[in-house]
Amino acid sequence: EVQLVESGGGLVQPGGSLRLSCAASGFTFSSYEMNWVRQAPGKGLEWVSYISSSGSTIYYADSVKGRFTISRDNAKNSLYLQMNSLRAEDTAVYYCARGEEATTPFDYWGQGTLVTVSS
Amino acid sequence: SYVLTQPPSVSVAPGKTARITCGGNNIGSKSVHWYQQKPGQAPVLVIYYDSDRPSGIPERFSGSNSGNTATLTISRVEAGDEADYYCQVWDSSSDLFYVFGTGTKVTVL
Repeated sequence: EVQLVESGGGLVQPGGSLRLSCAASGFTFSSYEMNWVRQAPGKGLEWVSYISSSGSTIYYADSVKGRFTISRDNAKNSLYLQMNSLRAEDTAVYYCARGEEATTPFDYWGQGTLVTVSS
Repeated sequence: SYVLTQPPSVSVAPGKTARITCGGNNIGSKSVHWYQQKPGQAPVLVIYYDSDRPSGIPERFSGSNSGNTATLTISRVEAGDEADYYCQVWDSSSDLFYVFGTGTKVTVL
């Protein structure tokens, strides 16, 4: 069974940092591209970042470019999102989501982890 | 950047048909995916590549895409279909690698 489990969310002050993790199981993690998608309270879905299966290709939404860093460890079946210089508008539930190729849908999602940026 | 516009809400009686539109410039030239999200839950893929259904998704869910509008159709609507629905495309030319629609709340009367 495919499982994606996020962790690392919490309350952080503006300007602070947080590192999210996504533990994958039930599939060959190194064969899949991965994404982070977020959802602010009461709002819609917003794509945040993409990483290819090997980690060699990475994309970011403009809203997080220069502040967030996506990475993966295929030996540990894990995806990460390092978030720096956090702002109030980064408050959201963060989901990791699996894709097979760039054009394919996100066929599995984690349950999400809540990040709250507030003083 | 590429924008996908959905109606904020759609209301439908049980047993009737709900149609949710997703408007975008020449969206018919792109592959559209649809997700269902119930309160407090992660999104679930219900339609991919415009009209394909993942295993486990009822045949009542169908999709189409042409011109500037993609449509998710839910036939014989049930109470359990009440949820938010989002369309999505991949747009390599956009500053957003992936674009989600604004979302539609489907209410079953």
